[in-house]
Amino acid sequence: DVKVTQSSRYLVKRTGEKVFLECVQDMDHENMFWYRQDPGLGLRLIYFSYDVKMKEKGDIPEGYSVSREKKERFSLILESASTNQTSMYLCASTSGGSHASYYEQYFGPGTRLTVT
Amino acid sequence: KQEVTQIPAALSVPEGENLVLNCSFTDSAIYNLQWFRQDPGKGLTSLLLIQSSQREQTSGRLNASLDKSSGRSTLYIAASQPGDSATYLCAVDGTASKLTFGTGTRLQVTL
Repeated sequence: DVKVTQSSRYLVKRTGEKVFLECVQDMDHENMFWYRQDPGLGLRLIYFSYDVKMKEKGDIPEGYSVSREKKERFSLILESASTNQTSMYLCASTSGGSHASYYEQYFGPGTRLTVT
Repeated sequence: KQEVTQIPAALSVPEGENLVLNCSFTDSAIYNLQWFRQDPGKGLTSLLLIQSSQREQTSGRLNASLDKSSGRSTLYIAASQPGDSATYLCAVDGTASKLTFGTGTRLQVTL
């Protein structure tokens, strides 16, 4: 069974803390994505990666960075958390690399982050 | 910039009714369109993926259609059940797996 897991379902952090959100997929997918989901705004792409060590900015990368040292793991980093980063964070993965768009995206269960 | 709109934002129907959810997008240059289901507080579950060269896809009681030239897709749910209650999201892929999402239709199926 296809599986994308995220390290935490709920997380509470203080303003200014460095926050790590981890995502692991067991499907040998090349592509991995981080989104945030906010009421009224829908899902917005933060960063994505087509391969190990590769990363590209999505639509709202400000305040975030990512790391992909192994194919199965994609980490989202909030260098200095702020209250406007309180949100639901969703990780996804798919096959295909940077050229193919023929495959479904599989999502993790999400991490609800609250920054106080 | 691609924009995806879903109408209606919310819908309530009695059990057993057939229903249609709508999705429209502004840029017809897409690779595929995907429909997802999201239960409250959970991640997204993929329901159907339609490639740009296809007109429709079916899975059980679900049928999704795509009219790329007019920028429209519909998700048809037959014989709705209370377990179908969820938010349904459509997303278009315009550039190598980068999805643009609509804000969803929240469906409630009542007994």
